[in-house]
Amino acid sequence: SQQGEEDPQALSIQEGENATMNCSYKTSINNLQWYRQNSGRGLVHLILIRSNEREKHSGRLRVTLDTSKKSSSLLITASRAADTASYFCATVPPLGGSEKLVFGKGTKLTVNP
Amino acid sequence: GAVVSQHPSWVICKSGTSVKIECRSLDFQATTMFWYRQFPKQSLMLMATSNEGSKATYEQGVEKDKFLINHASLTLSTLTVTSAHPEDSSFYICSEGAFTDTQYFGPGTRLTVL
Repeated sequence: SQQGEEDPQALSIQEGENATMNCSYKTSINNLQWYRQNSGRGLVHLILIRSNEREKHSGRLRVTLDTSKKSSSLLITASRAADTASYFCATVPPLGGSEKLVFGKGTKLTVNP
Repeated sequence: GAVVSQHPSWVICKSGTSVKIECRSLDFQATTMFWYRQFPKQSLMLMATSNEGSKATYEQGVEKDKFLINHASLTLSTLTVTSAHPEDSSFYICSEGAFTDTQYFGPGTRLTVL
């Protein structure tokens, strides 16, 4: 079953602009992860944020987590054409239960040069 | 980070035939690997957890007799789609890693069943 729901489903911006994608989930988590998938390829891990963290940065990426709202956001600043891809959030339930990644439906980002 | 390869990258087969997909961990000994399938424009759905030296654990709704998983060594897991039908056409992706850290995904295998 799917846990995360990304919003928007698709996003088209110009190079240099910022892109914000949101993810909502339904149950408690140990951590939430964001992945990128280029068309027809595997997934690349971008960033992991733990349930006790509120914000993490990695280069041009900024991820926030609000466990009270069960939501997360991924911000890509100063976007580039190479950022064009689908972005997925995935949640891991609390440890001790069924350990697995549960993916959302993804946001398809297009960055126009 | 770990590198995961898959072979083949794409395969076309006739309905009723079986197809084997290999997933290799190139620089890490993975006791556990994971198999996902992804339909066009959709998300990844976990199919099964492949355990080295023991039986795979299948997710609810996944037919274990149809999707045979073998994890005979610490670096190789195979997924065999038996008696494939057009509805099995999908993108199959494997991964390994820790859920509390990073999952490393293979490049995926595109299966088309005619």
